[in-house]
Amino acid sequence: QSVLTQPPSASGTPGQRVTISCSGSSSHIGSNAVNWYQQLPGTAPKLLIYSNNQRPSGVPDRFSGSKSGTSASLAISGLQSEDEADYYCAAWDDSLSLNGLYVFGTGTKVTVL
Amino acid sequence: QVQLQESGPGLVKPSETLSLTCTVSGDSISNYYWSWIRQSAGKGLEWIGRIYTTGSTNYNPSLKSRVTMSVDTSKNQFSVKLTSVTAADTAVYYCARELRTDSGLDVWGQGTTVTVSS
Repeated sequence: QSVLTQPPSASGTPGQRVTISCSGSSSHIGSNAVNWYQQLPGTAPKLLIYSNNQRPSGVPDRFSGSKSGTSASLAISGLQSEDEADYYCAAWDDSLSLNGLYVFGTGTKVTVL
Repeated sequence: QVQLQESGPGLVKPSETLSLTCTVSGDSISNYYWSWIRQSAGKGLEWIGRIYTTGSTNYNPSLKSRVTMSVDTSKNQFSVKLTSVTAADTAVYYCARELRTDSGLDVWGQGTTVTVSS
């Protein structure tokens, strides 16, 4: 059901910069804030970025978010081994036929080589 | 700090009703949105719906006909019921907190595994 498209995988060596894209449409990313979640293996997701580019307290500044039009991106600079996880974008969908729907992206698995 | 804990049966028979409760500790349940999200094995995240502490709800249209959410502010708990379950409803179910629509789901429970099988 996901309508936010992410690449299935991304990788980099320690210290590199990795970028993950999230593509949507005017009804969600184009109209609402984008959030990003990190899910380490076997654990619950954790809020990484909210409102397009804001970091919750405790999230390293190596993680940054941006949005342009109907797409968003998450960048991880100075990649570390503990960043190996699944990453999901998410946004509210304002389609007229819906009474509010929170949609997640397809997810991207980041591998640290 | 605020913590969420899901509870409920780990095994539900096909066609029966799945019922889960999320207990909030460390903060009042009031003035937040409370969501349920699920994740099938090896799959992505699916938002089931949310409830505000006034009782106002939003449900995923794909599940709306089978989902009911409720909140009990006196117990600092909220719940979800999913009727007529099938094997496709087997998943890890998470509860989560949201302050406002643009703030993201900032606190999550650890998740509880529900298997639908006879």
